[in-house]
Order: sequence, then structure tokens, then C-alpha cells
Amino acid sequence: LAKTTQPISMDSYEGQEVNITCSHNNIATNDYITWYQQFPSQGPRFIIQGYKTKVTNEVASLFIPADRKSSTLSLPRVSLSDTAVYYCLVGESGSNTGKLIFGQGTTLQVKP
Amino acid sequence: KAGVTQTPRYLIKTRGQQVTLSCSPISGHRSVSWYQQTPGQGLQFLFEYFSETQRNKGNFPGRFSGRQFSNSRSEMNVSTLELGDSALYLCASSFSAGVFDEQFFGPGTRLTVL
Repeated sequence: LAKTTQPISMDSYEGQEVNITCSHNNIATNDYITWYQQFPSQGPRFIIQGYKTKVTNEVASLFIPADRKSSTLSLPRVSLSDTAVYYCLVGESGSNTGKLIFGQGTTLQVKP
Repeated sequence: KAGVTQTPRYLIKTRGQQVTLSCSPISGHRSVSWYQQTPGQGLQFLFEYFSETQRNKGNFPGRFSGRQFSNSRSEMNVSTLELGDSALYLCASSFSAGVFDEQFFGPGTRLTVL
């Protein structure tokens, strides 16, 4: 599984758009990029997954440049309830394992 | 449908004791994974079961063990507890065993070792 690097923490204000970038220089051809969100004392929750270009769902957007060595999770108009830790994971979709490797994650603090 | 459930939610034990934690996956899910989360080490993979077979094991001592039953429910056991075993233990389930199949996490069991 490719190693990922994310900022340790970020601050934002309610209503702003937040972009969290993840670096994964050693991403392999078959690797997908997945983001999880974790609130204090809860288990992580899947947010979004993508392979290339842009993926959007009701919660977030994921931007992946052509070289795929980085990705950006975009959270539109954040609210206080978006305060959480966000994890970027990279690995091969369809691989025969359920093992997830979590890095440090990015602690997002949304202020009023 | 019901999410992943873990019991108990909180547990206090003393050093040297053993503990068993339980996880009930989402109905129809056959893969169950366990993670330990501590402030110092973050989220670490313990092991994964699929159809009652352990498929992967993380870098934990043999005091940590687990099993999966035919109904996909899983248990993990920690023997001879140490203070450093105090952590949030999370269980996750998924339909198949692919690493990037969406995994659904339970609320966790908070274990405190005194």
C-alpha cells in the first residue's frame, strides 16, 4: 500500500470551502484513493473514493490530477459538524484483503 | 439496515486479566476486521476474517487473537492485559474482502486497563 502524507491539522470557518491535499508519490497503477472521516470516539466513516480526474458525491469532491501523485478532498461550505479527522488511504481496489493502513490523518477544526 | 454493533461499549480491566470483545457485522457482510486506536499510535490494523478464516494479521503480539463464527460475528481476545492495551478497539465489516470495498465501522469498545 502506498504511503500517504497529509497536513496534521487545518482550521476553517463555517461556510468556507475546505481542501485537504494528500500526497502519494508511490501510487501504483491499480491503486485507488479513498478518504475516511472520523469523529471523536466513533469509528471512521467512508467519504469518497476515486481513481482519476474528479469524483463528486453528496458530501464531498475528490480531485485527482493526471499524474495521480496527489489528491485533494474538497468539502463545500463546512459546518461545525465537519470538525473531524480525515484520512487519505491508497491501495489496490479488488485486492484480496480488507486491511486498511491509516496514516496520521488531518484534524480539521471548523470555527464559528 | 442495522449497522455494525460492538459489545461491550466500555470495559475496565486490571493488568494480567483477559478480555473478549464482540462484533456483529452488517447483515450479509462476510469480512470483519479489527483495529486498535490509541492517541500515540493512531489506528492500527489487528486482523481480518473472511468466511471464518483469518486472512491478514497485523503486527501485534500473540496475546491478541480473534475468531469469526459461521454467522460472520467475530470476537477478539486479549490475554494477560497490559497497561498499553488501553485503547479504542474498532471493528469494521464489508461485503467482500477487497481492501477498497467500503468498510463500515462500529462505534468501538473503549478498553481501560488499570
